[in-house]
Amino acid sequence: DTAVSQTPKYLVTQMGNDKSIKCEQNLGHDTMYWYKQDSKKFLKIMFSYNNKELIINETVPNRFSPKSPDKAHLNLHINSLELGDSAVYFCASSQARVLADTQYFGPGTRLTVL
Amino acid sequence: AQSVTQLDSQVPVFEEAPVELRCNYSSSVSVYLFWYVQYPNQGLQLLLKYLSGSTLVKGINGFEAEFNKSQTSFHLRKPSVHISDTAEYFCAVSEGGAQKLVFGQGTRLTINP
Repeated sequence: DTAVSQTPKYLVTQMGNDKSIKCEQNLGHDTMYWYKQDSKKFLKIMFSYNNKELIINETVPNRFSPKSPDKAHLNLHINSLELGDSAVYFCASSQARVLADTQYFGPGTRLTVL
Repeated sequence: AQSVTQLDSQVPVFEEAPVELRCNYSSSVSVYLFWYVQYPNQGLQLLLKYLSGSTLVKGINGFEAEFNKSQTSFHLRKPSVHISDTAEYFCAVSEGGAQKLVFGQGTRLTINP
């Protein structure tokens, strides 16, 4: 059973389009995250939600809007896609808000903006 | 602000040789430290973490790391590597109580037969 799953795995789209990436965790965790990994493998947190409440928003452009319909899901919607949005996006989850808890990562979604 | 520096972007070693991947951090308060591994085309997986207590931490797959507060380092070691250890390794830090993980740039470990 996949603990943290993301769809789609690959996403190729044109500049200016709007797209969404879905994330689901079946671990019963309270906290979920979105990370962006750029072409140089640099990994940076974008958002964190705890029980559907936004906890962290790391100066991400407001074209990016996370949505958490319930604590098992955290979707990422991106408006007006730009070339610089091309990256691998990882979803993760942890039991609680405390960083001592291990974060479990999904397999990633490779977004390519043409 | 916290930062993490992984001193080597790439480390090539021969199979069964020992390896050390270096990580230094900067923080003015107590920290939690982590090592994650990313196998090709996969997400990150926790190798080990330091929260408190013994400075030598043992993780999965035979890896261990030592927290050195005076040198602000958390180097990862394995006495004998295997081909299957080929991956990208990330060091990460969070300040005590903070919810945010800050990652280093990653070190690509390549194992040659």
